[in-house]
Amino acid sequence: NAGVTQTPKFQVLKTGQSMTLQCAQDMNHEYMSWYRQDPGMGLRLIHYSVGAGITDQGEVPNGYNVSRSTTEDFPLRLLSAAPSQTSVYFCASSRDRGSDNEQFFGPGTRLTVL
Amino acid sequence: AQSVTQPDIHITVSEGASLELRCNYSYGATPYLFWYVQSPGQGLQLLLKYFSGDTLVQGIKGFEAEFKRSQSSFNLRKPSVHWSDAAEYFCAVLLRGVTGGGNKLTFGTGTQLKVEL
Repeated sequence: NAGVTQTPKFQVLKTGQSMTLQCAQDMNHEYMSWYRQDPGMGLRLIHYSVGAGITDQGEVPNGYNVSRSTTEDFPLRLLSAAPSQTSVYFCASSRDRGSDNEQFFGPGTRLTVL
Repeated sequence: AQSVTQPDIHITVSEGASLELRCNYSYGATPYLFWYVQSPGQGLQLLLKYFSGDTLVQGIKGFEAEFKRSQSSFNLRKPSVHWSDAAEYFCAVLLRGVTGGGNKLTFGTGTQLKVEL
C-alpha cells in the first residue's frame, strides 16, 4: 500500500491563481480530511469527508473547496489564491468516522502564494 | 474554550538524557489523546494514543505517555533520547462520541525537539 499520497510536493502561485492539491489513499478509508499547518499554530482542519459524495467544513474553510467523487480521492481547490494561504497542507485518512480510528497523514504539500 | 496546550515551543536535550514533553487539554470530558511526531519535510506519524484503561501507554520508538485526569495532562516521555528523535512533536485530542464529523483532531501548537550530541 502506498498509504496517503499528495501531489505536488511544492507549489508557488501568484495571487489570484487557482490550483488543485491532490490527495489519494489506497486503504479504502471512508474518512478523509485536509489540514493546514502554520508556524506556531499546529494543524487546523480545513474540510473533511465522511464518505464519497459527502463533505463538510472544518475550522478554517474559507477560500477552499473540496469534493469527494470517489473513495480514493479528495482534492482541495484554491479558486483564487491569496498570500494568507501560504502554508503546508496535509491530507489525512482513517477507516471511518469513528473517533477511535487512527488517522494516516500524507507527506504534505508546501504552497507559497506570492 | 476547548483547547490543547503545549507550553514548550522548543526543547533541547543531550543525547542519552531523558525527555518529557508537556501537553494539557481543556475539555469538559476526557477526550481521546494522541501524540504525533513530524520529522523535517515529512508528514505526521502516530507515536501513541490513549482511549481508556491503563493511564500509562507505550508507543513506538521507545516513547510512553501518562494520562493524568486530575491535571488534564498527557505528557510524553522517553528515558534516553537518540539523535534521530530530533523532530517536532504534536499533542492532539479528539472528542469522544461526536457524531457527524467524529474524527476532527485538534492539535497543539507543537514542540520542536533538538538533540545535542
